[in-house]
Amino acid sequence: AQTVTQSQPEMSVQEAETVTLSCTYDTSESDYYLFWYKQPPSRQMILVIRQEAYKQQNATENRFSVNFQKAAKSFSLKISDSQLGDAAMYFCANSGGSNYKLTFGKGTLLTVNP
Amino acid sequence: DSGVTQTPKHLITATGQRVTLRCSPRSGDLSVYWYQQSLDQGLQFLIQYYNGEERAKGNILERFSAQQFPDLHSELNLSSLELGDSALYFCASSGPSGGSSYNEQFFGPGTRLTVL
Repeated sequence: AQTVTQSQPEMSVQEAETVTLSCTYDTSESDYYLFWYKQPPSRQMILVIRQEAYKQQNATENRFSVNFQKAAKSFSLKISDSQLGDAAMYFCANSGGSNYKLTFGKGTLLTVNP
Repeated sequence: DSGVTQTPKHLITATGQRVTLRCSPRSGDLSVYWYQQSLDQGLQFLIQYYNGEERAKGNILERFSAQQFPDLHSELNLSSLELGDSALYFCASSGPSGGSSYNEQFFGPGTRLTVL
């Protein structure tokens, strides 16, 4: 079974500042993947960043990066130089096994203040 | 635009009724996933199809069923609807074979179902 926990229901950040969203997970799979999805008010689910568990190097996509701590089962998202368009609900997700279904956390609502 | 389409965008119906939600995956994707997003349950995996065959089941009610057709589009059928079935239903698709692309799911815009 897989579980994903996001302990911060809400976070806020000033424009141009840096914010870190937390996520912990548990899985019985040896081969798995971790994701951060963004859901803006439009409700569209947008993939922000992906991390393969077998890779030690932390994934980076422009202003978005992760801190993947495999032993601690922690997968945090860092957003640098925050922009107003980053305001959204952010979901951490885990997939593994033969079917790759996603297990989501409950989300963190990020507010960006001008 | 993810390349995944879902119709209709909104659906309002009454309790006890039956509805069908439709999803067309990205071109070339063989795998389709259905998810339900509700206020109390969050985002939950319902069911997955791969090239026409059911691959995995999640927390899908017996009143719900799905299928994937030869052209790879999928339909989610919800019957005997209850107030609690009101939710946003997402379809997602992923790549044709093993490798990192197979794990990357692209989501459609969702269908908002309201049961009155």
